[in-house]
Amino acid sequence: ETGVTQSPTHLIKTRGQQVTLRCSSQSGHNTVSWYQQALGQGPQFIFQYYREEENGRGNFPPRFSGLQFPNYSSELNVNALELDDSALYLCASRPGTRETQYFGPGTRLLVL
Amino acid sequence: AQTVTQSQPEMSVQEAETVTLSCTYDTSENNYYLFWYKQPPSRQMILVIRQEAYKQQNATENRFSVNFQKAAKSFSLKISDSQLGDTAMYFCAFMRGDTNAGKSTFGDGTTLTVKP
Repeated sequence: ETGVTQSPTHLIKTRGQQVTLRCSSQSGHNTVSWYQQALGQGPQFIFQYYREEENGRGNFPPRFSGLQFPNYSSELNVNALELDDSALYLCASRPGTRETQYFGPGTRLLVL
Repeated sequence: AQTVTQSQPEMSVQEAETVTLSCTYDTSENNYYLFWYKQPPSRQMILVIRQEAYKQQNATENRFSVNFQKAAKSFSLKISDSQLGDTAMYFCAFMRGDTNAGKSTFGDGTTLTVKP
């Protein structure tokens, strides 16, 4: 176990709905990154938060947004869900700018 | 932009034998990190081994070692004395040395099956 937790573990939504996924970082980790992992593929970087500000973003549309809270926990919000948003969503935390990140177990989202 | 390629979608090995997983990458950066992660079925992704690009010495962690060829942009993982618990998907990943960027670029993975 890495000390990074995510909720919920599984989620089913319908197209057009909105979803919020949550991540609790490992103690002392103030940097959180979110990744989308489609079935049979490697994780794709969505964005990163450091000290409550987004400081890096991958090739994802604005309907993917996030928040980081003072306790360094984080949320990923996805609006106007599309079928292709079905995936495992991973968060990873790390202390500051250290290169090693620790992954949570993921939230599996199914969009119908 | 960086790319990471894992050319072996699936591999299998007998228990106690040695297996090597391949990874190549493309970057114009000179300072970066390379990683191998293990993702067991329905379990968390965990770090197996890490290599700093500025270090010529290959990283080792117990039964896991890498062959890092910077000029060839190759980063293979060798697993010695394979165990049943090594069965998992293995991902090669790249991160720029400017770690403020945060972004790790992953390959599409190699599914490794260790057979008894």
